[in-house]
Amino acid sequence: DAGVTQSPTHLIKTRGQQVTLRCSPKSGHDTVSWYQQALGQGPQFIFQYYEEEERQRGNFPDRFSGHQFPNYSSELNVNALLLGDSALYLCASSLVFANEKLFFGSGTQLSVL
Amino acid sequence: SQQGEEDPQALSIQEGENATMNCSYKTSINNLQWYRQNSGRGLVHLILIRSNEREKHSGRLRVTLDTSKKSSSLLITASRAADTASYFCATSISGNTGKLIFGQGTTLQVKP
Repeated sequence: DAGVTQSPTHLIKTRGQQVTLRCSPKSGHDTVSWYQQALGQGPQFIFQYYEEEERQRGNFPDRFSGHQFPNYSSELNVNALLLGDSALYLCASSLVFANEKLFFGSGTQLSVL
Repeated sequence: SQQGEEDPQALSIQEGENATMNCSYKTSINNLQWYRQNSGRGLVHLILIRSNEREKHSGRLRVTLDTSKKSSSLLITASRAADTASYFCATSISGNTGKLIFGQGTTLQVKP
């Protein structure tokens, strides 16, 4: 049973570019959440997708957008990259009505130069 | 913004000793969870305690929750070198655990 998988593992971009990160949830899960973790900080909630719609959103600008596909996988897109977007981006999956723990992927380390 | 504040920020102990980490939060919660993170990679869920529970055990882990003080503690007994990691508390303030608010974490080093 595959857990949460994220790709790519590492990514280097320059300011102003756009990036797409991908996530496949744990088998049987229907909800995907994205988190941003800056170095030395705890993860911060970006948004959550369920039934292909954004259900909740954290305090992130519109440059951050996402998508969920019918197979529950998800993408995180960031436009007009800033140096401050450099971080570890974590995807987590869950069952929306289970009110239980999240399963996290290993993350994508994004460096913006 | 971070809801939780964790204390201490860093902790260094010898193998076999107990490690205690504390977490405080600001708003009412549905549950509080603890996660472990090794080397800045993915987080692993350790334990969940609901707002109507006061104490919970899982193996060498003991978690307490005091909703009147808005605080929680994680105790790791008989620590091992493999317990070396960052530990985060996370609170769920709605019925949906998809949105968790994390603290800044405690970095634990267990020396062999």
